[in-house]
Amino acid sequence: NAGVTQTPKFQVLKTGQSMTLQCAQDMNHEYMSWYRQDPGMGLRLIHYSVGAGITDQGEVPNGYNVSRSTTEDFPLRLLSAAPSQTSVYFCASSSTATSYEQYFGPGTRLTVT
Amino acid sequence: AQRVTQPEKLLSVFKGAPVELKCNYSYSGSPELFWYVQYSRQRLQLLLRHISRESIKGFTADLNKGETSFHLKKPFAQEEDSAMYYCAPNENSNSGYALNFGKGTSLLVTP
Repeated sequence: NAGVTQTPKFQVLKTGQSMTLQCAQDMNHEYMSWYRQDPGMGLRLIHYSVGAGITDQGEVPNGYNVSRSTTEDFPLRLLSAAPSQTSVYFCASSSTATSYEQYFGPGTRLTVT
Repeated sequence: AQRVTQPEKLLSVFKGAPVELKCNYSYSGSPELFWYVQYSRQRLQLLLRHISRESIKGFTADLNKGETSFHLKKPFAQEEDSAMYYCAPNENSNSGYALNFGKGTSLLVTP
């Protein structure tokens, strides 16, 4: 049982490039979320999903896309990277079975130059 | 509008001193409230939740609906408590899909 995994751990992009941050969980959790963590800003919700095929926007969705084709995977796509997207990205999952406790991945540190 | 306020970005205390990390929320109704902690080089993890009314690692948090606060307290801080702490109300606990985190308080416990 690996919990929540994220790849890559580190990534450097140039402005305008696109990429996908991967997130997977093996706990059969219904709910998955993406957050970004910035100094002085705390954790801000980007997108979330309440189940396969269902996603919705969080507080800071602009510049990001998500999809949830399976229960296990919840990739985050950066369409055209900008320096303002330099951040640490965390994926999390939760379930009614865990009383909504959020289980976090280890994070992806992204730098956009 | 900011719904969760953690007024202290940084809190520094001496080992053995009491510590209180403040959290105020502005949700209507009765949100479910959590404290999450991130130790250095570790992932975020749940510390405690108000529903369970438990004490974890010596920390407690009482929900004060009158003051809309959920302050985290520990009577005697330890160096290993140094970490980033986030208060996180969930406005709709029936969905449970995501949390609205405060900006966090960095706690530094010095010897």
